Amino acid sequence: EIVLTQSPGTLSLSPGERATLSCRASQSFSNNYLAWYQQKPGQAPRLFIYGASSRAAGIPDRFSGSGSETDFTLTISRLEPEDFAVYYCQQYGSSPLFTFGPGTRVDIK
Amino acid sequence: QVQLVESGGGVVQPGGSLRLSCAASGFTFRSYGLHWVRQAPGKRLEWVAVVWYDGSKKYYADSVKGRFTISRDNSKNTLYLQMNSLRVEDTAVYYCARDTSYFDSSGRFYVTELFDYWGQGTLVTVSS
Repeated sequence: EIVLTQSPGTLSLSPGERATLSCRASQSFSNNYLAWYQQKPGQAPRLFIYGASSRAAGIPDRFSGSGSETDFTLTISRLEPEDFAVYYCQQYGSSPLFTFGPGTRVDIK
Repeated sequence: QVQLVESGGGVVQPGGSLRLSCAASGFTFRSYGLHWVRQAPGKRLEWVAVVWYDGSKKYYADSVKGRFTISRDNSKNTLYLQMNSLRVEDTAVYYCARDTSYFDSSGRFYVTELFDYWGQGTLVTVSS
């Protein structure tokens, strides 16, 4: 089973700042099948990034994903008030077992 | 638009049973794989189970295997999760989620394990 770790656990930033979130896998997996989801309190997760770097429908271009093999990054170029949330990474493509990371909380400083 | 609406959550004693439902609309239900994913309070998301578009294949997380059963009724556009022998550690919000599954040119079905739509979740509390 691939184990995902995310860092930092919490990121405290101000609107307009740049956010860099890390997701590291215990082993490399196929085709960069790495996704990022955003979750706000009391809401369901929402798909933001898939294939490590492709934005899902409706996701603004201030969000970008990068990385390969075992190290992946989600970057928010300029934080907007609605971006403060928890972000989870997920590896997929290792059917039928796949996992989520523990999450990074992006807080308003 | 795509909608997934869960129901059936509640409070149940350890060892009890509960059946969750997920009513879908806004897409061709019978063409997609569907999952249950749960989230214990303050914890990460945990995949629970998946069912193929026609119900022919089902897979479960080790933590629920033998106790939970995923099923679907394509005539009712509804996904189910039958949960038996519930434990305190099953306490969580349970989400249904649509897989970005597809059929290739030969008609073979693929599940991607990528979730493009989620319901709002239903809370299951297992407590004495």
